[in-house]
Amino acid sequence: DTGVSQDPRHKITKRGQNVTFRCDPISEHNRLYWYRQTLGQGPEFLTYFQNEAQLEKSRLLSDRFSAERPKGSFSTLEIQRTEQGDSAMYLCASSLVKGSPGTQYFGPGTRLLVL
Amino acid sequence: AQTVTQSQPEMSVQEAETVTLSCTYDTSENNYYLFWYKQPPSRQMILVIRQEAYKQQNATENRFSVNFQKAAKSFSLKISDSQLGDTAMYFCAFLSGGGADGLTFGKGTHLIIQP
Repeated sequence: DTGVSQDPRHKITKRGQNVTFRCDPISEHNRLYWYRQTLGQGPEFLTYFQNEAQLEKSRLLSDRFSAERPKGSFSTLEIQRTEQGDSAMYLCASSLVKGSPGTQYFGPGTRLLVL
Repeated sequence: AQTVTQSQPEMSVQEAETVTLSCTYDTSENNYYLFWYKQPPSRQMILVIRQEAYKQQNATENRFSVNFQKAAKSFSLKISDSQLGDTAMYFCAFLSGGGADGLTFGKGTHLIIQP
């Protein structure tokens, strides 16, 4: 049973560029979450999916942020027109929900640096 | 909205000692879940322990146990016989009972185990 994987692990980009991150959840996990973690802080919830449906997106930081999970398996998080303030670790987590909320298992994260 | 407070930014103990990390939270809900996650340096977040609010019995996992005081909205983590590998950031997290949301994290406690 492989864990949650994220790609790339590191990304350096210039301000104004678009970036896309990928998350592959644990097989058969029906919920997938995205978080942002800045230095010295706990992760901050951004959005989540149940299967292919995005059930919460009001926490996305701005309209430059968007996420998809087209087939209910992997997910992508895109940031358009990146800003230096977007520099952070982006974490993905997945869980299996059967009646009660399941424990979320985290991936290794994608560290973004915007120059 | 829920809030999670960890009042100890950093703690340091000797190997084999027992240490307690504190966490308080604020919610108007009656049904929810609480978690402690561990994030070692440059490594991914892993679950330490989980507590369902409707259970009065405190959760335990080997050397890790919690003291859950629902009325006081307190959820502390006790690590017994601490080991060098316990050195990490520890995050307390809250999840709404319906699970229709992401985790709310505290700012974390940096625990250092000294040899």
